[in-house]
Amino acid sequence: IQMTQSPSSLSASVGDRVTVTCRASQGINTYLNWYQQQPGRAPKLLIYEASNLHIGVPSRFSGGGSGTDFTLTISSLQPEDFATYYCLQTYSTRGSFGQGTRIEIK
Amino acid sequence: QVQLMQSGPEVQKPGAAVKVSCKTSGYTFNIYGFNWVRQAPGQGLEWMGWISAFSGSTNYAQNFQDRITLTTNTSTNTAYMELRRLTSDDTAMYYCARASGTTSPGDLDYWGQGTLVTVSS
Repeated sequence: IQMTQSPSSLSASVGDRVTVTCRASQGINTYLNWYQQQPGRAPKLLIYEASNLHIGVPSRFSGGGSGTDFTLTISSLQPEDFATYYCLQTYSTRGSFGQGTRIEIK
Repeated sequence: QVQLMQSGPEVQKPGAAVKVSCKTSGYTFNIYGFNWVRQAPGQGLEWMGWISAFSGSTNYAQNFQDRITLTTNTSTNTAYMELRRLTSDDTAMYYCARASGTTSPGDLDYWGQGTLVTVSS
């Protein structure tokens, strides 16, 4: 299953509302996770099964979608949110990641 | 708290094999599984495979099917990833990630810190 994220990168300011999109090449129900990776660090789980917040993740992060189209929204960007975000489909027994979306400071 | 601690950086020659370990603590080892994910320099994440710590069942990405072996040791709460016939394209950071659920790949909910593998002659 191919996962396509858009945009590949974006520039935004602290306080902005930001949305990242992930599209699957076939229906995956809600078997979609979102990860945040800061430079030089391991990825961290933000959202699992499309819309469930992982333990300790701030409520400004939210996820939605089902089938083939999914979104990750950050309601008010904070300085620590500037990072790369990846989606991962867990519908197939062989997982696959999107190519990543880098959020940069404007 | 859940912790996954990976072994240190490796330098290997082309054609050799590497074995990376992932020692865990803070949870019941054999009711979860493990995924392995790699990231080449400046690139995105690539899923490599999954193993159940309960049954030993494995599932490998097609790209690695014939040269990867995932194992676990329930006595030491450690997972292992062995990759054989290395080439320069295998130079990457390798991550273990705990898999919640009983089927591949599960939710990769906690990650190790990564192990840098460099392949160079």
